Amino acid sequence: QSALTQPPSVSGSPGQSVTISCTGTSSDVGSYNRVSWYQQPPGTAPKLMIYEVNNRPSGVPDRFSGSKSGNTASLTISGLQAEDEADYYCSSYTSSSTYVVFGGGTKLTVL
Amino acid sequence: QVQLQESGPGLVKPSQTLSLTCTVSGGSISSGGYYWSWIRQHPGKGLEWIGYIYYTGSTFYNPSLKSRLTISVDTSKNQFSLRLSSVTAADTAVYYCARDVETATLGSFGYWGQGTLVTVSS
Repeated sequence: QSALTQPPSVSGSPGQSVTISCTGTSSDVGSYNRVSWYQQPPGTAPKLMIYEVNNRPSGVPDRFSGSKSGNTASLTISGLQAEDEADYYCSSYTSSSTYVVFGGGTKLTVL
Repeated sequence: QVQLQESGPGLVKPSQTLSLTCTVSGGSISSGGYYWSWIRQHPGKGLEWIGYIYYTGSTFYNPSLKSRLTISVDTSKNQFSLRLSSVTAADTAVYYCARDVETATLGSFGYWGQGTLVTVSS
């Protein structure tokens, strides 16, 4: 069981927007702005899409945005494209002894 | 552009020690400011942070692996390494090395190796 809770799957049609949630606790998501989101197409290494809740690394399209409210963080992908189909993982710094915790992953299907 | 590359055996026997090395190019480990991590992904499963090392040799390990884990750094070779002892089938996974995207961005892994599959089997 992962420390952060994500929905197993979400889907959307091209051009639509989808939001993936990531629920933690007051020991991680709720207390630190250290939430990251990763995109992982099959057979590839994860790619950082969002860090520190809402910062995009260089090269990541602005269709990807992040937010946080309380113990829940969210990744929103607008203008959905076929190439966005992948697994998405959230992570957070945590005050527990594990330093970083991950979510269980969400499979995004572009219909 | 920083690049990371894992290397090591793809097959390890149960009870033996899993050893992997991450070679860093495009940047120096000894320049400081970054934490160098190992992360693994069991087949078809999510991500698990294993531990990190700083260029000074300071380490922090996942408590679930701490008793079997050693992470070391060789700044002269610009490499850091993972040793996991007494492995079982449960340690079969893709192992990634990674670095923070920027200084002081705790746990935001912006640079990853391609990953290497390690299978524990006799």
